[in-house]
Amino acid sequence: GDSVTQMEGPVTLSEEAFLTINCTYTATGYPSLFWYVQYPGEGLQLLLKATKADDKGSNKGFEATYRKETTSFHLEKGSVQVSDSAVYFCALNHQGAQKLVFGQGTRLTINP
Amino acid sequence: EAGVTQFPSHSVIEKGQTVTLRCDPISGHDNLYWYRRVMGKEIKFLLHFVKESKQDESGMPNNRFLAERTGGTYSTLKVQPAELEDSGVYFCASSQSGTGVIETQYFGPGTRLLVL
Repeated sequence: GDSVTQMEGPVTLSEEAFLTINCTYTATGYPSLFWYVQYPGEGLQLLLKATKADDKGSNKGFEATYRKETTSFHLEKGSVQVSDSAVYFCALNHQGAQKLVFGQGTRLTINP
Repeated sequence: EAGVTQFPSHSVIEKGQTVTLRCDPISGHDNLYWYRRVMGKEIKFLLHFVKESKQDESGMPNNRFLAERTGGTYSTLKVQPAELEDSGVYFCASSQSGTGVIETQYFGPGTRLLVL
């Protein structure tokens, strides 16, 4: 079945550092790919998405490119802020199968 | 516009007791989903309602779990009797109806369940 694998956390960085959180997936066909973020005390929020190969999703300075050849959707940000501290989840779903399949989540802490 | 709300935010019960979780989706959203995250692992799908009908319940772990969505508005998820392994965070999400389109799912803050 479909699955998503994220890099193990927790990840701790200093403010203004470059961020990469790796995400790879196993799925048949052409799923849509998502990054969700959960800030402390809040629900999951959609951060960005990509629906086909080579699409780049972007939001709030974060980017991720749908790479079919490597089955990856790595999350990047050039300069992180303390307010980016949260848990990040990579996920996929298929058109016609609405359920999301999530990775295990990566806790990110940014120190000032 | 109000987001997805869940009640209670936390619940601590003893093994063998019953707990009912409630989810109020965004108004007008036909799709309602339940997910669960156990012990810091991945978030797993439980089931999907379209209005009041169960579209997909392939993720329900066993018959101790019962989900309802009477009238196609709010939903409840009952666990009876609760076991230790049921502890975790239960998320609800909703999305608009769409034909052939991946609709964004909007999540609630979750209910943190601890079974002792």
